[in-house]
Amino acid sequence: DIQMTQSPSSLSASVGDRVTLTCRASQNINNYLNWYQHKPGKAPKLLIYAASSLQGGVPSRFSGSGSGTDFTLTISSLQPEDFATYYCQQSYRTPPPTFGGGTKVEIK
Amino acid sequence: QVQLVQSGAEVKKPGASVKVSCKASGYTFTGYWIHWVRQAPGQGLEWMGWINPNSDGTNYAQKFQGRVTMTRDTSISTAYMELARLTSDDTAVYYCAREQDTPMVSRFDYWGLGTLVTVSS
Repeated sequence: DIQMTQSPSSLSASVGDRVTLTCRASQNINNYLNWYQHKPGKAPKLLIYAASSLQGGVPSRFSGSGSGTDFTLTISSLQPEDFATYYCQQSYRTPPPTFGGGTKVEIK
Repeated sequence: QVQLVQSGAEVKKPGASVKVSCKASGYTFTGYWIHWVRQAPGQGLEWMGWINPNSDGTNYAQKFQGRVTMTRDTSISTAYMELARLTSDDTAVYYCAREQDTPMVSRFDYWGLGTLVTVSS
């Protein structure tokens, strides 16, 4: 199975900050990488698919980049509603689709 | 609009089974695979398997093989996940998610709100 590693596991940031989250795959996954936002008690929400394509309805302050093994999710200006846990997920070699361990974005 | 509505929370004793439902609306149920993903307390997301509602084909994560069964009822656009021989390690929120594979890569574009399953004696 392909292992996905996210860093950091948590971070503290302020409203308005630029935030960058990292995801690394244990082998080349081309651009088969998705990002999700998850808030407690809510359904996970797809933000980015194919490494850099913005899901419909997702604010443009979210962007994704990367290819191969290293990927980033950037929030250009953190908003109060963005405090959540973010997961990356590979769909290159499935089953199984595998998730990273998550990055929790907290209020500083 | 697309919705996946899951059944309510369950409390089960060790050794019992649980069956969680996921009712789809707003799209053609047989046109998209349904996956099941769980999240144990304080843990990340763990994929359990998928069902193709059109063919009834399934694929389960190795960890759950022999213990999980995914089924569907196309007449009511509902998918089910049954997990047997429960232990405390199965205490988790169980999500169903729809797989979208066009254009480009496969991803989970809609998710249910989750069903909390608590296993306790």
